[in-house]
Amino acid sequence: DIQLTQSPSFLSASVGDRVTITCRASQGISSYLAWYQQKPGKAPKLLIYAASTLQSGVPSRFSGSGSGTEFTLTISSLQPEDFATYYCQQLNSYPGTFGGGTKVEIK
Amino acid sequence: QVQLVQSGAEVKKPGASVKVSCKVSGYTLTELSMHWVRQAPGKGLEWMGGFDPEDGETIYAQKFQGRVTMTEDTSTDTAYMELSSLRSEDTAVYYCATDKGGSYYRFGAFDIWGQGTMVTVSS
Repeated sequence: DIQLTQSPSFLSASVGDRVTITCRASQGISSYLAWYQQKPGKAPKLLIYAASTLQSGVPSRFSGSGSGTEFTLTISSLQPEDFATYYCQQLNSYPGTFGGGTKVEIK
Repeated sequence: QVQLVQSGAEVKKPGASVKVSCKVSGYTLTELSMHWVRQAPGKGLEWMGGFDPEDGETIYAQKFQGRVTMTEDTSTDTAYMELSSLRSEDTAVYYCATDKGGSYYRFGAFDIWGQGTMVTVSS
């Protein structure tokens, strides 16, 4: 199985900060990587797919990059509504796997 | 606009089975590739299985092989996930979600999610 390791697992930041989350795959997954945002009690929301393509309706302050085994999600200027948990996910090969999550909290 | 509406919360005893439904509206089920993901309380997301349009088959995570069955009723556009031999570790919110590529191509990203169904396993 492909393991996805996210770092950091917890991040404290202020409104307006630039935030970067990393996701490392245990083996190459080409660009089959997606990023999700999840708020408490809610279903995950797709932000980025194919490593760097912004899902329709998602603000442009979110961006993704990377290929192979190393990927990043960047929020260029953190907004109050961005405080949530973020997950990376791959389905390049089965079984699909998710990273352990990064909780972004208000400093 | 695709919407997925799941069945309500369930409480089951250890050893029992649970069947969660996911009703599709806005599209037909045949146009979608449905997956199931679960989340234990306070924990991360776990992929259970889903339809692979490239093979035309439903793929299950090895962890659930033999205990999970994912089916579809195209006459009602409803997908089902049945998990048997329940244990306390199966207590979780279960989500259905569709692959962005629909029934044609595996994008490997889930763009539409159901609201989740809480399944509690307790004696």
